[in-house]
Amino acid sequence: NAGVTQTPKFQVLKTGQSMTLQCAQDMNHEYMSWYRQDPGMGLRLIHYSVGAGITDQGEVPNGYNVSRSTTEDFPLRLLSAAPSQTSVYFCASSSGRREQYFGPGTRLTVT
Amino acid sequence: GQQLNQSPQSMFIQEGEDVSMNCTSSSIFNTWLWYKQDPGEGPVLLIALYKAGELTSNGRLTAQFGITRKDSFLNISASIPSDVGIYFCAGSRIQGAQKLVFGQGTRLTINP
Repeated sequence: NAGVTQTPKFQVLKTGQSMTLQCAQDMNHEYMSWYRQDPGMGLRLIHYSVGAGITDQGEVPNGYNVSRSTTEDFPLRLLSAAPSQTSVYFCASSSGRREQYFGPGTRLTVT
Repeated sequence: GQQLNQSPQSMFIQEGEDVSMNCTSSSIFNTWLWYKQDPGEGPVLLIALYKAGELTSNGRLTAQFGITRKDSFLNISASIPSDVGIYFCAGSRIQGAQKLVFGQGTRLTINP
């Protein structure tokens, strides 16, 4: 199993550009989530999904969209990037209500 | 947004020393977890706690779920160089490890 994979690993955007951060897991986990990590801080929940077709907002959802058309994939979309979205983004998945496993992260810079 | 209060923020210790860090909240959490993060990597789960009062070990690591459900601590015994990193506590208000709220992290540095 590859576990949780994220692409790209690094990305630089200009303000106003859009992009999609990809997240995939091959463990058949029903629960997936996106977090952002800013310097000196813990992770904060952006959006999560309890299964295909079901998504909900976390603590900091503004500026981000998600969809979950398959169990394996949970992309995060930035429609119009802003400098405040410069961060490291982590995707995680879990089975049932057990522990979440995190991907390696995407480092995003918005100029 | 709310984060857990984790302390200390950083620790500088000698190899072989024991380490203790804790996490507190003003509200109840029903699940507590401890993660370690190395530079450029995602958090890796160390210990998960699902019941108030639960004490769980993983090798040299021991963690406890506070009886009030508002705190948790992590101890590392006989530290070694590979213990260097940032340790995060995380809590969930639901029963289970979803919709996590994280602490700010404890950065552990070890002098050989």
